[in-house]
Amino acid sequence: AQSVTQLDSQVPVFEEAPVELRCNYSSSVSVYLFWYVQYPNQGLQLLLKYLSGSTLVKGINGFEAEFNKSQTSFHLRKPSVHISDTAEYFCAVTWKTSYDKVIFGPGTSLSVIP
Amino acid sequence: DSGVTQTPKHLITATGQRVTLRCSPRSGDLSVYWYQQSLDQGLQFLIHYYNGEERAKGNILERFSAQQFPDLHSELNLSSLELGDSALYFCASSGGPINTEAFFGQGTRLTVV
Repeated sequence: AQSVTQLDSQVPVFEEAPVELRCNYSSSVSVYLFWYVQYPNQGLQLLLKYLSGSTLVKGINGFEAEFNKSQTSFHLRKPSVHISDTAEYFCAVTWKTSYDKVIFGPGTSLSVIP
Repeated sequence: DSGVTQTPKHLITATGQRVTLRCSPRSGDLSVYWYQQSLDQGLQFLIHYYNGEERAKGNILERFSAQQFPDLHSELNLSSLELGDSALYFCASSGGPINTEAFFGQGTRLTVV
């Protein structure tokens, strides 16, 4: 079955330190990949997406992610985090055999410590 | 503001009742997706409509149903409600039939008592 894994449920990090949030998915069949952010009591906002082309994708708020097909991963990175980055982050995958469904990972709660 | 509007924002109802959640997609978007978010299940895809037609079903219970109207707004109907149906219900919209970028509403928080 298709699945998305985010191994770290909680990631605490000090302000201005770098962070990496990990995402792996279950199959190497062609995929579309997404990272969303959810701030408290709000909906999800798209941070970045990979549809095709360059494997390094840049998004909003200084985030970037790298698609690694052989490792079926799409890890999210930011070189220097701010307090305002404290939020829940979701990785999501659409398999091209099933365009209509986007499967979300369980989420990673990022806490930025002043 | 994503441009996707969901009403109501909060809903409290008793077990066994029926409720309707409403979603207005972004202007010009033809696809509407419904998701359920709960602490134990995470974000679960429920159903996808494109231009009035059902495109895909996910983990949607038989007690739940949805439709998309000619003006493209969508409604999610939840009936015979149980305590376990308490959750945040999100609607998202995208332009075409393939989900390459979905915009989410603020959600409806349903509490079943």
